[in-house]
This record gives sequence, C-alpha cells and structure tokens, in this order.
Amino acid sequence: QKEVEQDPGPLSVPEGAIVSLNCTYSNSAFQYFMWYRQYSRKGPELLMYTYSSGNKEDGRFTAQVDKSSKYISLFIRDSQPSDSATYLCAMSSNTNAGKSTFGDGTTLTVKP
Amino acid sequence: DAGVTQSPTHLIKTRGQQVTLRCSPKSGHDTVSWYQQALGQGPQFIFQYYEEEERQRGNFPDRFSGHQFPNYSSELNVNALLLGDSALYLCASSLGGQTFYEQYFGPGTRLTVT
Repeated sequence: QKEVEQDPGPLSVPEGAIVSLNCTYSNSAFQYFMWYRQYSRKGPELLMYTYSSGNKEDGRFTAQVDKSSKYISLFIRDSQPSDSATYLCAMSSNTNAGKSTFGDGTTLTVKP
Repeated sequence: DAGVTQSPTHLIKTRGQQVTLRCSPKSGHDTVSWYQQALGQGPQFIFQYYEEEERQRGNFPDRFSGHQFPNYSSELNVNALLLGDSALYLCASSLGGQTFYEQYFGPGTRLTVT
C-alpha cells in the first residue's frame, strides 16, 4: 500500500465550478503538506504548503489538512480553463524534510 | 532570474548503457533533489544533495548515483539501464536541505530506454 493515496480522477468540470481534490496518507509522521500543479510536459509547480493541521487560503485556492483523519484537500473556487492540469499532493516529515512523498495526481479539465 | 534548468530535454538509450543527466538549480538555492516520474504516476524521490553530499536517499538501487558540484549544480548517473528506467527525471532545487519551503522543479529530462 502506498503511503500517499490520491483520488485518481480524471475530473471534468464546467468553468466556474468549485473543485475538490483529495489525498489520504498513512504515515503519521508527515507534518508538511504541499500541493503542486503540473501542466503537460512540464515540471510540477508548488501551489501551496501547510504545516500540521488547519486551513490555508491563497486567492481562489484553499488547502485543508485534517491530521486526525490523515486527509488533505485542495479546493479551487471559480475554476478557470487555465486551471486544467494534473494536481499532485506531496508530504514531508520533520525528520525527513528533505524527501517529499507524492501522490499519483488527479487530472483536472475545466471546460469553458 | 533563471529557474531550474535541466539537460538534455530528451534522451534515447539502449538497455545496458549508462546515462548522465544534468541540473542547474535556481539562483540562490543550494540543495538539489532528483525524482523519477513514470507515466501516470507521481514523482518518486531518488536522492538529495546538499553541501556536495548525498543527504537522503529513496528506495532506488545503487545503479542510480549522483554528484553535486561547488556551484550547486548536480548530475544524476544511471548505470546498466533497464527498460523500466524509462521515465521523466525531474530535478528540484531548494534552500538549506528542506523541500517543503519553496521547492522549484525543472522541466525534466525524458529518458527512453529501448
């Protein structure tokens, strides 16, 4: 079983919809939680990171971490066609902060 | 300000051969991590170099080795290539050995082993 499981998708939504992307994990040592966006044939781009539990908002993006359930989410409000990409969650621990463990990604398509 | 650069962009090799991939970190960064991303999967951590030393290593065989130079650039070497080594190899740079705090990825090198 993988340490990080991500809803596989693919996900297709109309423009303006609210999108929810989710990951679960098994390693209770994970303390840092990141979301990356990866466009086709490009490297991942860091969108947001959070430490421990709680919410973090940045424009149209909100990241939530529930450590008690080992569950993290990324919400995208007012989705745009330019948000069409693969979204990857990633996690690191305090003792192993140099290594990020990634989910396999969810591919999102936002239709105009 | 140049971001993370990788070379070459694409590479085709034959089973059993050796390959060297190169990475230049973002200006001001001193840490380089290498990841392997197979098609349809997330990146898998290979190893990280900081202060010219391998600091952490993922679950990859010794055929995978690396080096970091005094200017913080890095190389990834893979010996005795297998078909299963075909993947996108990503280099990521950061500061001070940490990855959660602003890790920047390069565009990757796509390696095909035939």
